[in-house]
Amino acid sequence: DADVTQTPRNRITKTGKRIMLECSQTKGHDRMYWYRQDPGLGLRLIYYSFDVKDINKGEISDGYSVSRQAQAKFSLSLESAIPNQTALYFCAIGTGNNQPQHFGDGTRLSIL
Amino acid sequence: AQTVTQSQPEMSVQEAETVTLSCTYDTSESNYYLFWYKQPPSRQMILVIRQEAYKQQNATENRFSVNFQKAAKSFSLKISDSQLGDTAMYFCAFMKLRPYDKVIFGPGTSLSVIP
Repeated sequence: DADVTQTPRNRITKTGKRIMLECSQTKGHDRMYWYRQDPGLGLRLIYYSFDVKDINKGEISDGYSVSRQAQAKFSLSLESAIPNQTALYFCAIGTGNNQPQHFGDGTRLSIL
Repeated sequence: AQTVTQSQPEMSVQEAETVTLSCTYDTSESNYYLFWYKQPPSRQMILVIRQEAYKQQNATENRFSVNFQKAAKSFSLKISDSQLGDTAMYFCAFMKLRPYDKVIFGPGTSLSVIP
């Protein structure tokens, strides 16, 4: 099994719909992150969580919310999707011990 | 605030040749980590190489090596003996250590290896 699993892999939806992207991990790491990737901009941090009760906004959190349901699960929600949220979304995990983050395979989200 | 710049949006190289991807960053931190990630068309984010800022020796991983110039805030990636499987987007990334391991990514360089 993959260390970090993201579902769905691809999603096409319409403006105004509520969308949830899910992330689960098998490594037992405390830290989980959500990033969005756009062409020419690299990856930008949306939200991060250091444990179930510790959730923090990243640099582009507007229009997004998250839930850390358990140590291993971290979901990202778009309450009312808009076309400029079309992007590739990555979940990542980390140890906080100066180790590189480890990424899932991404969810490509298209909002029409 | 930290920033990471990759000035080459696209590059190409002949198979078996050597190519260097550039990265510069801006920070007031004295201790940090730098990474190169590879993103092939499969879109996975794969760690290629890492460098600790307190280490003067440049990191190497097989055909991949870096030229880390701390004073110049430069962190370039050299790929030797380029292979078709090296075709990918490459991201330079900076990781601040405190108060948390925040990672800042550059915009990426798209590398094409030509047969």
